[in-house]
Amino acid sequence: QKEVEQDPGPLSVPEGAIVSLNCTYSNSAFQYFMWYRQYSRKGPELLMYTYSSGNKEDGRFTAQVDKSSKYISLFIRDSQPSDSATYLCAMTSNSGGSNYKLTFGKGTLLTVNP
Amino acid sequence: EPEVTQTPSHQVTQMGQEVILRCVPISNHLYFYWYRQILGQKVEFLVSFYNNEISEKSEIFDDQFSVERPDGSNFTLKIRSTKLEDSAMYFCASSESLERFQYFGAGTRLSVL
Repeated sequence: QKEVEQDPGPLSVPEGAIVSLNCTYSNSAFQYFMWYRQYSRKGPELLMYTYSSGNKEDGRFTAQVDKSSKYISLFIRDSQPSDSATYLCAMTSNSGGSNYKLTFGKGTLLTVNP
Repeated sequence: EPEVTQTPSHQVTQMGQEVILRCVPISNHLYFYWYRQILGQKVEFLVSFYNNEISEKSEIFDDQFSVERPDGSNFTLKIRSTKLEDSAMYFCASSESLERFQYFGAGTRLSVL
């Protein structure tokens, strides 16, 4: 079983739609959960960072973590064409000798159509 | 806004040649990382570096790879004898502390011919 699984999409939605992006993971030691946005041929840009189970909101973005189900989500409200990018989930821990290296999902390619 | 800077943006090299990829992390950050992303695949961890030594490395980071912080600002990744399969985007990242989030540079695209 892969450590982090993410549906690669592609996902295409109309402008204004609510977008739901998800990742599952197998390593219960993961403590910190992140969502990065990556435009084509650019570096990952941090969007959201959460530690505990529950929801965290930042503007149009909400990150949700369910540690009991090993499932994380990113919701984008009122999606805009500028949100078109690849969204990467990432997670990390310091257990088992790991010094907070990031383990990424494969990324979901999102296109928001005007 | 502070950012991680990587040079060059694109490096083309012949198989067997040595390459050095350069990074300038954010100035008050203490932890430095290299990741790579082969086209169409996941971003993968290569190595982390703190206090002038490697703190963790992946299986990918074999004897062909080395990292160095030659001065107070630069952080480099050297590949001694490049192989075709080293072709990838290489990302440098830095963080203020271990459990704080990592900021990524724009990457260096390495093409090995």
